Amino acid sequence: SQQGEEDPQALSIQEGENATMNCSYKTSINNLQWYRQNSGRGLVHLILIRSNEREKHSGRLRVTLDTSKKSSSLLITASRAADTASYFCATLRGTSYGKLTFGQGTILTVHP
Amino acid sequence: GAVVSQHPSRVICKSGTSVKIECRSLDFQATTMFWYRQFPKKSLMLMATSNEGSKATYEQGVEKDKFLINHASLTLSTLTVTSAHPEDSSFYICSAPNAGTGPNLKNIQYFGAGTRLSVL
Repeated sequence: SQQGEEDPQALSIQEGENATMNCSYKTSINNLQWYRQNSGRGLVHLILIRSNEREKHSGRLRVTLDTSKKSSSLLITASRAADTASYFCATLRGTSYGKLTFGQGTILTVHP
Repeated sequence: GAVVSQHPSRVICKSGTSVKIECRSLDFQATTMFWYRQFPKKSLMLMATSNEGSKATYEQGVEKDKFLINHASLTLSTLTVTSAHPEDSSFYICSAPNAGTGPNLKNIQYFGAGTRLSVL
């Protein structure tokens, strides 16, 4: 089964609002990553949070990790129309570095 | 930052023909690259791991004779969809891991822009 389930599947907000996306996973992890994909394009790495970290910030991004609940959240503050994209969480498969399992993704639409 | 170039970005072909997709790491060496397939509004599914100097390893359910992978050099991996059929139509994306040191950095992937394959 797919490791990394995200909700909501789709999120539509107005510019300036905050967007929160959640991700759950099934097995133990060393770290969890979030990626962004613009429509019809490749993915871009946003942020990596280690298993011993609970929260991490990068610009307008805030990621939390709860290993006891096997879940993570990505918060985008003060959203902009340019944030419109799909967002995926990803975890490492086994011990093979770089071999990632992606969540189903959240399609975020930010209306100007 | 590291750049991965994927070519072509879009290809339309007739059923039965073969299509080659290239993935290049432009400013770093990648002994390993990954190939993914993505259906519309769906997540990425790992197809295979491309290994420089050795055979690719395929995920369960992926036909190795259908999807030929060649890691010709430290900066180039190719995916050839052989005898393509309409059901092979999809978005194919390659990635290469960060060449930096440290167990966490190596897990970060740099992605190509993807190739939209349409088989008529």
